[in-house]
Amino acid sequence: DAGVIQSPRHEVTEMGQEVTLRCKPISGHDYLFWYRQTMMRGLELLIYFNNNVPIDDSGMPEDRFSAKMPNASFSTLKIQPSEPRDSAVYFCASSLLQGGGYTFGSGTRLTVV
Amino acid sequence: AQSVTQLGSHVSVSEGALVLLRCNYSSSVPPYLFWYVQYPNQGLQLLLKYTSAATLVKGINGFEAEFKKSETSFHLTKPSAHMSDAAEYFCAVRRSGGGADGLTFGKGTHLIIQP
Repeated sequence: DAGVIQSPRHEVTEMGQEVTLRCKPISGHDYLFWYRQTMMRGLELLIYFNNNVPIDDSGMPEDRFSAKMPNASFSTLKIQPSEPRDSAVYFCASSLLQGGGYTFGSGTRLTVV
Repeated sequence: AQSVTQLGSHVSVSEGALVLLRCNYSSSVPPYLFWYVQYPNQGLQLLLKYTSAATLVKGINGFEAEFKKSETSFHLTKPSAHMSDAAEYFCAVRRSGGGADGLTFGKGTHLIIQP
């Protein structure tokens, strides 16, 4: 398996623009997670899905953030409009149900100028 | 709710010396515990995990960790450090039982290996 695949690896955008981050989980994994990593706040869980259904989105910072999982092999995290404080590395991870660790993607480094 | 505290944002050891990275957890139910490693500009890689089986857990790259309920600790060790161990290490906790909540991560410990 190719692992969790995220795209793009790097994204530079101007403030106010829409940004879409993409993730393909490992085939057969039931859970998909979106994390954000910054120096100040470390790794923060934004949202997670189980069988394509959002289970907990309490970590989504505000309404500018939205996430979807239209099928078992694809998820998106969208920021609209983007702001400089959204600059961070965004990770997607997937896992099986019981007790397993996560498999992380390589992340998307977002810079909003 | 669960949380983890990693003692020391930076740890420096000499090559060949013992590596000890500290992690204490807080959880209202028996936890699952994990250690991840992150190399520069890469995602997190699972080193090892504790899921209520053996309290001494062996992972990849010669690392191991011991779950101590009485001390609420899950410290990571390696007998002899190698230059390639230089990276950021994260301890994480998750509730045990059915379902899969999100992992809660510590702030991370940056391991520096001195030649």
